[in-house]
Amino acid sequence: DAGVTQSPTHLIKTRGQQVTLRCSPISGHKSVSWYQQVLGQGPQFIFQYYEKEERGRGNFPDRFSARQFPNYSSELNVNALLLGDSALYLCASSTNYGYTFGSGTRLTVV
Amino acid sequence: KNQVEQSPQSLIILEGKNCTLQCNYTVSPFSNLRWYKQDTGRGPVSLTIMTFSENTKSNGRYTATLDADTKQSSLHITASQLSDSASYICVVSLNSGGSNYKLTFGKGTLLTVNP
Repeated sequence: DAGVTQSPTHLIKTRGQQVTLRCSPISGHKSVSWYQQVLGQGPQFIFQYYEKEERGRGNFPDRFSARQFPNYSSELNVNALLLGDSALYLCASSTNYGYTFGSGTRLTVV
Repeated sequence: KNQVEQSPQSLIILEGKNCTLQCNYTVSPFSNLRWYKQDTGRGPVSLTIMTFSENTKSNGRYTATLDADTKQSSLHITASQLSDSASYICVVSLNSGGSNYKLTFGKGTLLTVNP
């Protein structure tokens, strides 16, 4: 049974560019959450989606957006990248009880 | 404000020794508390999960305790191994109603196990 898969695993972008990160949840999990983890810090909540609807949003600027597809996979988009957006972006899929994290996408903005 | 505080920030121990990591939280309404192990550059991996009514949960050499009255949890690692070197993150789940659960993360304790 596949876990949470994220792509790409690593990414280097230039300031001002746009990036799309992808996440496929565990089969049967309808909720997907996105987190940003800056080096040395705990993950910070960005978005939660459940059944294709946004259920929660963290304290992130409008440059960050996301969506969930009918198959429950999800994309996180970040526009006008800043150096400070460099981080590990984690996706977690969940049921009412458990969360499972993917291995993350390491985004470096230069 | 919902917060999760972990201590110590970092810890160095010798292989074979035991250690205990602490987590204090102010999240309410509380749903459950989880401990995760996160290797550098990887996603967190769940070690234990405890609900309000559970006081202790074990997973091999990892034992977590929860005192819901004082809002404190600890993770005890027995007979540490080099592979235990990682960041250990305490995560408290806030029940926002229905199927909406929000996780509040601590900053983690960075554990280094030396030979």
